[in-house]
Amino acid sequence: RKEVEQDPGPFNVPEGATVAFNCTYSNSASQSFFWYRQDCRKEPKLLMSVYSSGNEDGRFTAQLNRASQYISLLIRDSKLSDSATYLCPYSEDTGGFKTIFGAGTRLFVKA
Amino acid sequence: NAGVTQTPKFQVLKTGQSMTLQCAQDMNHEYMSWYRQDPGMGLRLIHYSVGAGITDQGEVPNGYNVSRSTTEDFPLRLLSAAPSQTSVYFCASSYSMGIGATFFGQGTRLTVV
Repeated sequence: RKEVEQDPGPFNVPEGATVAFNCTYSNSASQSFFWYRQDCRKEPKLLMSVYSSGNEDGRFTAQLNRASQYISLLIRDSKLSDSATYLCPYSEDTGGFKTIFGAGTRLFVKA
Repeated sequence: NAGVTQTPKFQVLKTGQSMTLQCAQDMNHEYMSWYRQDPGMGLRLIHYSVGAGITDQGEVPNGYNVSRSTTEDFPLRLLSAAPSQTSVYFCASSYSMGIGATFFGQGTRLTVV
């Protein structure tokens, strides 16, 4: 069983749509959680932090549910520029502390 | 601040050659790591370090060596390049283990022929 589950997509949505992604994890040693975006052939970049109280940044809302062990990302009023891969890393402590990035969820926003 | 700086940005190697990918960060981060990303795939952890003098293996360590003599630098050495090591390599750093966001360098595109 994977330590983190993330729908690889792709999600194909029209401009203006609302789209949501989830990452479910088990046994994460992370004390903090983040969403990253990666554009094609570029490095991943921090999108936003994830708090259990919810974190909103413009059209983006992130949420952490520790009891159910998942984090979510909601994008409202999608723009063409939101097309990217969205990553939710997790950290595990199995004798050595590792931060693991999965393949992420691909989003395509179309005109 | 420059953040995480990787050099070179592009490199072509012949099979069997060795080389070192350089990585430096100026954020005084404890945790540094190297990932590789193959086309259409996710990031795979090669090696990581939780502080100067301490390194450990990630998911795909074979064929690579690392050292961490200072907090700032974390070079990745390819001992004898193979075509299977053709990939994009990203160096990353974060404040501490499991705490704080991860910052990436711009990547090194390596082709082994």
